[in-house]
Amino acid sequence: AQSVTQLGSHVSVSEGALVLLRCNYSSSVPPYLFWYVQYPNQGLQLLLKYTSAATLVKGINGFEAEFKKSETSFHLTKPSAHMSDAAEYFCAVTSPSGGYQKVTFGTGTKLQVIP
Amino acid sequence: DAGVIQSPRHEVTEMGQEVTLRCKPISGHDYLFWYRQTMMRGLELLIYFNNNVPIDDSGMPEDRFSAKMPNASFSTLKIQPSEPRDSAVYFCASRKENQPQHFGDGTRLSIL
Repeated sequence: AQSVTQLGSHVSVSEGALVLLRCNYSSSVPPYLFWYVQYPNQGLQLLLKYTSAATLVKGINGFEAEFKKSETSFHLTKPSAHMSDAAEYFCAVTSPSGGYQKVTFGTGTKLQVIP
Repeated sequence: DAGVIQSPRHEVTEMGQEVTLRCKPISGHDYLFWYRQTMMRGLELLIYFNNNVPIDDSGMPEDRFSAKMPNASFSTLKIQPSEPRDSAVYFCASRKENQPQHFGDGTRLSIL
């Protein structure tokens, strides 16, 4: 079984401040991990993915995430928040035991950026 | 390069009516997924296909829901009869082997 837990359904940051969105995963086998972003009235877009190569993964729009096996975490960060970052962010996990087919999504974190 | 295309974008219908949601996956993608998103339950996988064959439909909530993929470029999700609790945003996603999923913009379904 696999799962992800996103801590905090809502996060508010000031424009220019550090963005930190937390994700912890549970998987009995080495996982693949993803972060997706969803803007209003749109589908999910892939921000970045971890697939057992480098533990620090860089994605689009200045976001990055670090895979920490010892902490079973895959937190998403961005050094300086921009107004356009306001959206909902989903952490997701899959694994080879499911043939990488079934992806389990977290419950999402809505990011608010305050001017 | 066109993304995943879903239609309609919005659907409002009365309880008891048949609803058909449509999806055109990205060309060359051999997996197709149908999800439902609600405030209460988040994003739920309903069913997925590989090479047009349904592989896992364990997420389909009831027999009122059915999905088909007659060819590599088209899939439908049908609800018959529809009920108010089916109101949600339905997403289609597609991908190639061992690649992340690409999502459509969804169909916002309201059952009155």
